[in-house]
Order: sequence, then C-alpha cells, then structure tokens
Amino acid sequence: GQQLNQSPQSMFIQEGEDVSMNCTSSSIFNTWLWYKQDPGEGPVLLIALYKAGELTSNGRLTAQFGITRKDSFLNISASIPSDVGIYFCAGRRSNFGNEKLTFGTGTRLTIIP
Amino acid sequence: EAGVAQSPRYKIIEKRQSVAFWCNPISGHATLYWYQQILGQGPKLLIQFQNNGVVDDSQLPKDRFSAERLKGVDSTLKIQPAKLEDSAVYLCASSFDRNNNYGYTFGSGTRLTVV
Repeated sequence: GQQLNQSPQSMFIQEGEDVSMNCTSSSIFNTWLWYKQDPGEGPVLLIALYKAGELTSNGRLTAQFGITRKDSFLNISASIPSDVGIYFCAGRRSNFGNEKLTFGTGTRLTIIP
Repeated sequence: EAGVAQSPRYKIIEKRQSVAFWCNPISGHATLYWYQQILGQGPKLLIQFQNNGVVDDSQLPKDRFSAERLKGVDSTLKIQPAKLEDSAVYLCASSFDRNNNYGYTFGSGTRLTVV
C-alpha cells in the first residue's frame, strides 16, 4: 500500500530551535492530518487541514495544506523537550471522517541537551 | 471520555503459533480500524469496520489474518499461523461517523514479537 513520503527522516536540534518538516504524495488528498507518536503509545492528532492553501495553528505548531493538494508542511516554533517523538502526516482522499488514512513514513525529532 | 482500550500490551510468540488481540473502541464510535505498524514505518491499514460490517480489508493477509466485530462494539484480530515478519505494533482506532471529519483516536497498541 501507498505511504506518503516525509522529510527529513530524523532531526537533531537544540531546545528553543524552530523545526520544519514536510510530507509529499504522488496523488491528491482532500484532508491532511498531522499526528505525534510517543514511545509505546498510539499516534495523537495534532492538527487537521481541510482546504488547499489552508494554514492552521495549534499553539506552537503551524501546518499548511499545499495548494496542489499533494503536500503538507508542519512547523514547530521554539521547541521544548516534550516535542521529542515521531511526527506522522496522514492523508484522506475524501472529506468523510471515517475514510481510511494513509500515513507517512515519519520524522523522528530528537532534542540535543 | 475513555479512550480506545487494547490488550494485551505485549505478546511474544514463536513462529507458526496463533495470537489474538482485543480492542474496545470509544463508546458510540461506529467505525473501527486495525492498523499494523512495523518498526520505523507509519501505520498501515489492515481492516476497517463500520458497525459490524467490513468496509475495507484489501490489505489484510487473509490467509493468516482474520478479524471480527460481531456486535458492532469490541473487535478481535487474530493471526494464525504467525510469521517472523508479523512482528509489529497492532493499533486499533475508532471514529464516530463519516460526518465527523477529524482524525480518529488510536489505542496504545499491542506490540507483537514473533521469534
């Protein structure tokens, strides 16, 4: 099955730095979602995007739905230790909430002390 | 509200043995999903239920995997016989309905190791 391509695969940053990651697809999605997964836990929803070009914020997190509907971006400002984890993008072809999600390959964020 | 409950949290079995996982979704959630997450990858859908009916099982290896949701609430996922490549985290998730366009809620998963 298809998986979305995320980059970078991993990031090593210092606390307080800003973070940017992106997700690309060969096909169009009409909903983009960003999840964070901590070790031993399931993914937790961070941000949901429903319209091409949409820019949405959730605290220090900002995500954008690409105009082509084939990509999305997530930015984290002023990183803190609890931001450590794996970030996954996920796409849905329709706007129906129970349609399956296709997940990205993940970006692992590590904060260097 | 209570989250999605899964058990067991961990399971170690030998190849060719059988194993079953259980999931209790959030109360009132009609849609239930089982995802497989291999180490270093994103989750991949195995099967989706709407109430007690299967909506999508196109990526379920049906020669060894089976799942049921008999009363439209709890669900079990079974592997028989297990292979080494089945080692993964099995995540259950649920969502309310098609008109609730949010990401669904995941459980903590069952980590399966096949030796």
